[in-house]
Amino acid sequence: DAKTTQPPSMDCAEGRAANLPCNHSTISGNEYVYWYRQIHSQGPQYIIHGLKNNETNEMASLIITEDRKSSTLILPHATLRDTAVYYCIVIRAGGTSYGKLTFGQGTILTVHP
Amino acid sequence: DAGVIQSPRHEVTEMGQEVTLRCKPISGHNSLFWYRQTMMRGLELLIYFNNNVPIDDSGMPEDRFSAKMPNASFSTLKIQPSEPRDSAVYFCASSRASGIRGNEQFFGPGTRLTVL
Repeated sequence: DAKTTQPPSMDCAEGRAANLPCNHSTISGNEYVYWYRQIHSQGPQYIIHGLKNNETNEMASLIITEDRKSSTLILPHATLRDTAVYYCIVIRAGGTSYGKLTFGQGTILTVHP
Repeated sequence: DAGVIQSPRHEVTEMGQEVTLRCKPISGHNSLFWYRQTMMRGLELLIYFNNNVPIDDSGMPEDRFSAKMPNASFSTLKIQPSEPRDSAVYFCASSRASGIRGNEQFFGPGTRLTVL
């Protein structure tokens, strides 16, 4: 599975949009981009995933560049409760990679008042 | 709708003792995953089951670790004998199906294990 690169930390003001980048320049055509987050002392939480089209759900939006080499997770109106470690994961939909999420170091997002 | 349930939430034991961690996946989910998280190594997948059958245990660190899933609603991770380096937070996760949906995993609250 493709390797991902994320900034180690980011800050965001409460109420503003948080834009978390992820680089996955070696992504293959059959690999998806998944985002999870882990709030302190809790288990990771699935946020969103996409293949090549932009995706939106009740939690966030995912913007994938046309060449698919990078993506951005957008939290439109960040709150203090969004302070967490955010993980960008690239993985195939099935086959031997099924379910084998590889969590890197992620980005520590701190939302401040 | 109950999420993934893990027990105990905290476990403190002495080196050499047997430790058993328990997990109840979300009803209807047919895949179950065990992860371990430490400061040094981050979050690592240990083993996962599909329809109660172990599919990949390549992440299990050594023979002291074993995992079972006797039925669709229960799994255990056992460490025997335990060592101080096993101290970590152990997470259980479940998902509904294979393929794309299989990567939407729901995690439990974790068991914090301390081996003295």
